[in-house]
Amino acid sequence: QQQVKQSPQSLIVQKGGIPIINCAYENTAFDYFPWYQQFPGKGPALLIAIRPDVSEKKEGRFTISFNKSAKQFSLHIMDSQPGDSATYFCAASINNAGNMLTFGGGTRLMVKP
Amino acid sequence: DTGVSQDPRHKITKRGQNVTFRCDPISEHNRLYWYRQTLGQGPEFLTYFQNEAQLEKSRLLSDRFSAERPKGSFSTLEIQRTEQGDSAMYLCASSYHRAEQFFGPGTRLTVL
Repeated sequence: QQQVKQSPQSLIVQKGGIPIINCAYENTAFDYFPWYQQFPGKGPALLIAIRPDVSEKKEGRFTISFNKSAKQFSLHIMDSQPGDSATYFCAASINNAGNMLTFGGGTRLMVKP
Repeated sequence: DTGVSQDPRHKITKRGQNVTFRCDPISEHNRLYWYRQTLGQGPEFLTYFQNEAQLEKSRLLSDRFSAERPKGSFSTLEIQRTEQGDSAMYLCASSYHRAEQFFGPGTRLTVL
């Protein structure tokens, strides 16, 4: 059973655009929500993460929006660049239960020059 | 380089052979995780250690898989009697008393 659903599966934007990737979770015990960026042949790299006590977090060009009542969270990439072209994964974990990450299915982003 | 390292980066083996992968976590990280990632999918949790103790194992981890973390430092993941369905990227991650997990580059396994 997939506990974290991610959409869209793929996304194409022009340079400077703002791609938005959405995730929905089922388990209300989740209390940590990170986003990872992965380039082909590489391991996932932690981008930004949020806990459910805040509704938004910004780090550089990356913003997470969190809606606890809807059990949804999203990643916005401001002023996207061709170098942002990668696969993005949302994930969720439970802090006092080992923090094993449950990942979404991934979104392949292409930013056109 | 002080990140998570994994060895080998690539492994090709024949069905039925045993393989072993190694992960060296970031120094002083007490938690170490193994994940498996198949093409086009997100990583799936396999098992995790806190120091040398293996605290959780996924149902994905069949009895052909075994993991160790002697002395709470590096970890090994062994797959016995490999099957074609074991072909995947095996990822290791580490963390220190916090939720943030840092991943290594992975070991890509191909079973012929």
